[in-house]
Amino acid sequence: DAGVIQSPRHEVTEMGQEVTLRCKPISGHNSLFWYRQTMMRGLELLIYFNNNVPIDDSGMPEDRFSAKMPNASFSTLKIQPSEPRDSAVYFCASSFVQGEKLFFGSGTQLSVL
Amino acid sequence: GQQVMQIPQYQHVQEGEDFTTYCNSSTTLSNIQWYKQRPGGHPVFLIQLVKSGEVKKQKRLTFQFGEAKKNSSLHITATQTTDVGTYFCAGSSGAGSYQLTFGKGTKLSVIP
Repeated sequence: DAGVIQSPRHEVTEMGQEVTLRCKPISGHNSLFWYRQTMMRGLELLIYFNNNVPIDDSGMPEDRFSAKMPNASFSTLKIQPSEPRDSAVYFCASSFVQGEKLFFGSGTQLSVL
Repeated sequence: GQQVMQIPQYQHVQEGEDFTTYCNSSTTLSNIQWYKQRPGGHPVFLIQLVKSGEVKKQKRLTFQFGEAKKNSSLHITATQTTDVGTYFCAGSSGAGSYQLTFGKGTKLSVIP
C-alpha cells in the first residue's frame, strides 16, 4: 500500500487566495483526520471523519476552513480566504478503525504571504 | 479539556548516551501512543500502551505507562544518530475514542 497520500507537498500563496489540500487515505481505513502542526501549538486536530461523515469539526479555526469527504478514498481541506497565520504544515492521517494507530501522510507545507 | 504535557522540549545528547522523554496528562488515560517524527518528515507510530504499569520494549527503546495511567515515558538506551527526531506522546481518554491529544514533543539531537 502506498500509505496516506497528500497533495500538494508545498503550497505558496498570497493572502486572500483560496487553498485546497487533498488527501487519499489508506484503502480500507474508515477514520480520517486533518491535523495542523505549528511550532507554537504543536499538532492540533482540525476535523475527524468516520465512514466519510464529519464527526468532530470543533478544531476548525473558523469559517474560512472547510473540509469534505465525498467518498472513502478522498478528502479535501479548503481555506478561503487564506491568511498569513494559516501558514503551517497540514497533515492528513487515517486509521483502520476509530481509536487505532494513525498513519500520517507526508503533509502539505503551506505558506501564505 | 484534556492536556498532555511533555518534557523536556529539547534534548541534546552525545551518541551513546541514554535519553528519556516524559509525558504527563491532566486526566486519566485509557491508552497512550508514541510517535516519532524525523526532521522534515511526518509522525510515524511507534507503540500503544493500554494497561496500567505496562512496559514494552522495541530494541533500544523502552516505553512505560504509569500505574495511575496519567503518565508515560520513553527511554532510549545508547542513542544513535538514527534516533534524531521529535518524539510525541498522544493520549486518549476513552477506549476506542478518536480523540488523541498530542504532547508538544521532545526534539532529540544526537551529537556524533
